Amino acid sequence: GQNIDQPTEMTATEGAIVQINCTYQTSGFNGLFWYQQHAGEAPTFLSYNVLDGLEEKGRFSSFLSRSKGYSYLLLKELQMKDSASYLCAVKDSNYQLIWGAGTKLIIKP
Amino acid sequence: GAVVSQHPSWVICKSGTSVKIECRSLDFQATTMFWYRQFPKQSLMLMATSNEGSKATYEQGVEKDKFLINHASLTLSTLTVTSAHPEDSSFYICSASEEVAGSYEQYFGPGTRLTVT
Repeated sequence: GQNIDQPTEMTATEGAIVQINCTYQTSGFNGLFWYQQHAGEAPTFLSYNVLDGLEEKGRFSSFLSRSKGYSYLLLKELQMKDSASYLCAVKDSNYQLIWGAGTKLIIKP
Repeated sequence: GAVVSQHPSWVICKSGTSVKIECRSLDFQATTMFWYRQFPKQSLMLMATSNEGSKATYEQGVEKDKFLINHASLTLSTLTVTSAHPEDSSFYICSASEEVAGSYEQYFGPGTRLTVT
């Protein structure tokens, strides 16, 4: 079967750095996405990785290792508004998105 | 960036009635549109995938006769929840896909919160 694993909840301090991990087992791979979702709102796109390595976009970076079936989302200089759920999703061989359950990130002052 | 709208943003209806939700891609032509459902504190669940002019492909366990999807054009898809029941109360989110550099990026609408009383 297809499976995406990510921690259920994480807590971090304002101004700090946090890394949210995602491991996946899918039938084929055509890219990995990270989305941010605030409570009661639709997800918003954060990053896309299809090749191994690190993609940096401002305070957010995403890393991919296809051989390990592993990705992480790195958030720097955390702000209170970063409190949200972070969803990892992988596009499989049929170009269908397989979603993780999401990681709820709680930022404390 | 690409914008997807949904209408209505929230709706309350009585049990047994039908509700139609519209999803529009405002500034691009969506090759594919997706409908998701999300119950409180749970992840997104894909309900169906639709391509303009063809029948939607429903995920296992989703009743196609209950959740009618019409993809009338490259910018509009509708989801009709027929004979709604309280257990259909959920957050319904659509997304539209546009090919960008070989990656079919999905842009999400703001979602529609359905409450069935």
